[in-house]
Amino acid sequence: QKEVEQNSGPLSVPEGAIASLNCTYSDRGSQSFFWYRQYSGKSPELIMFIYSNGDKEDGRFTAQLNKASQYVSLLIRDSQPSDSATYLCAFPSGGGGADGLTFGKGTHLIIQP
Amino acid sequence: DVKVTQSSRYLVKRTGEKVFLECVQDMDHENMFWYRQDPGLGLRLIYFSYDVKMKEKGDIPEGYSVSREKKERFSLILESASTNQTSMYLCATRFNDEQFFGPGTRLTVL
Repeated sequence: QKEVEQNSGPLSVPEGAIASLNCTYSDRGSQSFFWYRQYSGKSPELIMFIYSNGDKEDGRFTAQLNKASQYVSLLIRDSQPSDSATYLCAFPSGGGGADGLTFGKGTHLIIQP
Repeated sequence: DVKVTQSSRYLVKRTGEKVFLECVQDMDHENMFWYRQDPGLGLRLIYFSYDVKMKEKGDIPEGYSVSREKKERFSLILESASTNQTSMYLCATRFNDEQFFGPGTRLTVL
């Protein structure tokens, strides 16, 4: 069974600091990884996806992938109170994603003003 | 703009009732999915569909069935609702690796 592990938190970070969210996965064959943000009472929305080892940057967000260690992380620079949410790591269950995504249970992030 | 709609935001049903949850997308996406989300358990895949008339079981299909008669509509059916099916139900579509979620239906079974 494919699994994704995340620290449930809450992770508390001061406003303006870097928030670091981590995720490990069990399936060595996984080729792509996704980070979703979910505000309380809302549905998940995609923040970033990454396919290759290394870093991928998009604005204040950086995704990092290390396939050898089966580890993916999300860094949020200059954290804002609006970043307070639950962050979900996910990877395709099969079929390149056509079979759905396997999600971690999420990390609850709190940005303290 | 991507749009996935679900028929109800909140639903309360009785044990043993047959329940229909409807999902409609306007993007002509082939792939559609039903997940449920529970505290401490995260998002889990119930059923998915590659195209019209096609359906595949996800990780937790027991107690559920689905219907996809038209490309834009994917229905989740609880044949005989039970209290352990109280949950948030999320529909999603997929395009270019990205999954787009609907707003969710919070179902309570009494």
